[in-house]
Parts: sequence; C-alpha cells; structure tokens
Amino acid sequence: TQLLEQSPQFLSIQEGENLTVYCNSSSVFSSLQWYRQEPGEGPVLLVTVVTGGEVKKLKRLTFQFGDARKDSSLHITAAQPGDTGLYLCATIQGAQKLVFGQGTRLTINP
Amino acid sequence: DTAVSQTPKYLVTQMGNDKSIKCEQNLGHDTMYWYKQDSKKFLKIMFSYNNKELIINETVPNRFSPKSPDKAHLNLHINSLELGDSAVYFCASSQVGRNTEAFFGQGTRLTVV
Repeated sequence: TQLLEQSPQFLSIQEGENLTVYCNSSSVFSSLQWYRQEPGEGPVLLVTVVTGGEVKKLKRLTFQFGDARKDSSLHITAAQPGDTGLYLCATIQGAQKLVFGQGTRLTINP
Repeated sequence: DTAVSQTPKYLVTQMGNDKSIKCEQNLGHDTMYWYKQDSKKFLKIMFSYNNKELIINETVPNRFSPKSPDKAHLNLHINSLELGDSAVYFCASSQVGRNTEAFFGQGTRLTVV
C-alpha cells in the first residue's frame, strides 16, 4: 500500500490549458514536498507546504495543502511545454525517511 | 559546482558482475540516500546514512552494500548483478530538519544484460 497516492498517473494536454494534479493519503503529515523531474535528471524541489490550508504560488504553479494535512494539489495555469515532466509529492516518514508518491507524468503539447 | 554528483552516469554490465556507483555532495549535508527508480518511474528509497551511520535499510538484497567513508560520500556496491537490478539509481543528500529538502544527483542508469 502506497503512503502517497498521486493522480492522475498520466496527463497529456495542450499548451495554454489549466490542470490540477493530486497527492492523497490517509495519514496526516507535518509537511509535504513537491518535486519535478525532467528526463535524464534527478528530481528538483519545487515547494514545501507545512500548514493545513496553506497555499503557495510559484509563477503559474499553485500548491495547496489540505486543511487536515492529508492531501495536496498542484494547479498549473496556462501550461507550457516547459512544464512537461514527472511531478512527485514526498513526505518525511519517521526521522529521516523521505518517501515519494508514484508521480504524475505530465506532457504539454505545443 | 555540482551539489550532488554521482558517477558513472551510464553503466552497462553483464549478469553476475560486481559494480560500484560513487556519490559525493558538497553541500555540507549530514544525510545521504540511495534511491532506485524503476521503469514505471517509482522512486523507492534503499538506504539512508546520517553522519556516516546507516539509518535506513529498506529490505534491499544484501548484494547491495552501501559505504560511507565520510559524510560527504556515499557509495553503492552491487555484487552478482541480476537483470532485475536494471534501473536508474539516484543519490541524494539533505540536512535533517523539520522540512528536509533533498538534493538529487543526475542518476546512474544501470543496464544488466
């Protein structure tokens, strides 16, 4: 059983469209991270959310942490081909164990 | 300067061979990790070291042996390679804290033939 369930697993949309991807769990987290991984590279941290209900913006990306701190969403406005990549949510389990969801593979078509 | 560097980037080897992957971080972090990413892109933790001490060993076959000569280096040695070991292996580092942010290397694509 996965601690973090991401949906959808695959998403392919046209440039200019909006999209939302989700990261859900039955557990409560002290914090949750979002990473983006491009082909041939390692994951790179985008944001960390800590407080229930928190919203963080990174240009056209909006991250939200659920009020109960069990889920999170990533919304992209006016998607661009450069947003293509694997989006991973992650959390700390125990003292130093960083665990990841299965990821959402996002493709933005020109 | 690359924050987390691992070598080699590509490794093709025959079944039964022994191989090593090296990782170095220059961020001054106290924790280093090895992750395995399979063909479905799932990133699974294998090992975690904190200040050269093994903290996490995630039911990895004992053919995999990590070694941390100092807190800036974490190498991975794999004995008797099997076809199922083919994957991308990522090294990462972090500084323990409430919102531990991990910095990843570029990955080593291991292909066992």
